Amino acid sequence: EAGVAQSPRYKIIEKRQSVAFWCNPISGHATLYWYQQILGQGPKLLIQFQNNGVVDDSQLPKDRFSAERLKGVDSTLKIQPAKLEDSAVYLCASSLGGSSFRGYTFGSGTRLTVV
Amino acid sequence: AQSVTQLDSQVPVFEEAPVELRCNYSSSVSVYLFWYVQYPNQGLQLLLKYLSGSTLVESINGFEAEFNKSQTSFHLRKPSVHISDTAEYFCAVSDTGNTPLVFGKGTRLSVIA
Repeated sequence: EAGVAQSPRYKIIEKRQSVAFWCNPISGHATLYWYQQILGQGPKLLIQFQNNGVVDDSQLPKDRFSAERLKGVDSTLKIQPAKLEDSAVYLCASSLGGSSFRGYTFGSGTRLTVV
Repeated sequence: AQSVTQLDSQVPVFEEAPVELRCNYSSSVSVYLFWYVQYPNQGLQLLLKYLSGSTLVESINGFEAEFNKSQTSFHLRKPSVHISDTAEYFCAVSDTGNTPLVFGKGTRLSVIA
């Protein structure tokens, strides 16, 4: 099966600019996650979607970050305006839920550098 | 909420020596446990997972991990490491298939020739 697709792979922007990342999960995976991985740290959850509804966005900095998952398939994560501390790898993951759960599949990530 | 502790931030080991990377999680009735490996400038790759059944799980490249419920641990072991095993290793846990993975801070394994 095709994996989780993310784009772009790399992005360099200046602080205060805006940026958007795209994720296409594995077909049929109802649950989608966005994680932020700062250099030298483990990934940290930003937001969880179940189909097109938000399940958990408690760690999403809502003053600058937003995410949506229209039609319960693709998802976009946006940062506006970006800060230097947003430099990180942004990972998208998807999974089947409930009794069909078999694990999480991660995309290759988008490496964001804010200068 | 779940939490994961990886006790060693860096582990240097000589080639062909054994290694153990330690992972403890906060207590829960049932958990799913994972080890991921991340090579430099690459994404996360699933190394092995425990969902149910046998408490000893193995990967295709010689790593194994044992789920110990009483000690809330899921330590990763390999009897003989190779230079190519040099990478960052992350332990992760979730309570159910509907909850997010919680990651540890990672252990950097450096294999020395």
